[in-house]
Amino acid sequence: DIQMSQSPSSLSASVGDRVTITCRASRAISNYVNWYQQKPGKAPTLLIYGASNLQSGVSLRFSGSGSGTDFTLTISSLQPEDFATYYCQQSYSTLMYTFGQGTKLEIK
Amino acid sequence: QVQLQQWGAGLLRPSETLTLTCAASGGSFSDFYWSWIRQSPEKGLEWIGEISHGGGTNYNPSFRGRATISVDTSKNQFSLKLTSVIAADTAVYYCAGEFARSFHIWGQGALITVSS
Repeated sequence: DIQMSQSPSSLSASVGDRVTITCRASRAISNYVNWYQQKPGKAPTLLIYGASNLQSGVSLRFSGSGSGTDFTLTISSLQPEDFATYYCQQSYSTLMYTFGQGTKLEIK
Repeated sequence: QVQLQQWGAGLLRPSETLTLTCAASGGSFSDFYWSWIRQSPEKGLEWIGEISHGGGTNYNPSFRGRATISVDTSKNQFSLKLTSVIAADTAVYYCAGEFARSFHIWGQGALITVSS
């Protein structure tokens, strides 16, 4: 299996801050990483696919980058609605999709 | 815009079979692969398996032998059966639509509790 390791596991930040979340794959996976946002009691929603492509309807505050084993999700200027849990997911191995353990973004 | 609505029994006894169904509406069923994903505090998000509209399946090895995903294209529905459930199968189960290797659409989720 390809393991996805996210850091940090939790993060406190303020409205207006720039935030970066990192995801590291256990082996090279090209750009086959997706990022999701999940709010309490709700299903995850797709933010970024293919490491850097913004899903339709998602705010331009969100951006993704990376290739190989190291990937980042950046939120340029935090808004109140951005406080949530974020997950990365590898889609390199179509026989076995795996997710990171999540990063909980909280208000400072 | 495709939407997913899922349903199934929420409380099971150990050794029983979990059955969940998900119905897609509002778009082209054949454009997607259809997956089941579960989420628990212990294991986080776990992909269980997927099915194409043609019926081809792919399973997480951790669930192979216990999980069966089927599709009914006449109703734009797909289902999950998970046999011999145990307490560790307690989780929120989601159906999801996969396009270009990412999960673009999710059902609302169903809390499944396994308890004697």
